Amino acid sequence: AQKITQTQPGMFVQEKEAVTLDCTYDTSDQSYGLFWYKQPSSGEMIFLIYQGSYDEQNATEGRYSLNFQKARKSANLVISASQLGDSAMYFCAMREGSTSYGKLTFGQGTILTVHP
Amino acid sequence: DAGVIQSPRHEVTEMGQEVTLRCKPISGHNSLFWYRQTMMRGLELLIYFNNNVPIDDSGMPEDRFSAKMPNASFSTLKIQPSEPRDSAVYFCASSLGIGMNTEAFFGQGTRLTVV
Repeated sequence: AQKITQTQPGMFVQEKEAVTLDCTYDTSDQSYGLFWYKQPSSGEMIFLIYQGSYDEQNATEGRYSLNFQKARKSANLVISASQLGDSAMYFCAMREGSTSYGKLTFGQGTILTVHP
Repeated sequence: DAGVIQSPRHEVTEMGQEVTLRCKPISGHNSLFWYRQTMMRGLELLIYFNNNVPIDDSGMPEDRFSAKMPNASFSTLKIQPSEPRDSAVYFCASSLGIGMNTEAFFGQGTRLTVV
């Protein structure tokens, strides 16, 4: 079974609008962490935001926020006020508490295109 | 901070040749990960090390792949012999500690093309 599922291969958004990128996860661990990374066309992987399974508040980092719904096992990334530079591939990833030494498992990614 | 450094950035080789990819993690980081990215399979974890010791190599596709970490500041991923289906972008990442919120820092990747 897939540990991380990103069901949207591609998303389009108008500049300055908000967009939500979906991520669902599968784990039996009580302790886990969820990450979002951005990969622009230049290829590097850029860390955006983190949410811990025990965190009661949704994580926020500038224009990025994470809509964490634990019971539904979803960790959607919300980008507010989209900018042209937000066009990139976005990956959701998970680290499970039972997994030794911190390995990250990634979803398939969502390509976001921001239109002017 | 120089970040994770990978070399070469691009590699084109002929089928059957040996390929060695190199990675220098961020100084002080004690976990190192090798990932492979393809269109079909996305980002796959190949192997990871903690304190220079291989912890899990279950993602290594076959015996043609091997990885070493002789010291805290250097790791290699070797493919011998290489095949066209090995063509991919190979990422090295490192992290400090094994805490749940520890982010992994990625290198720029090596784009490997096997012809």
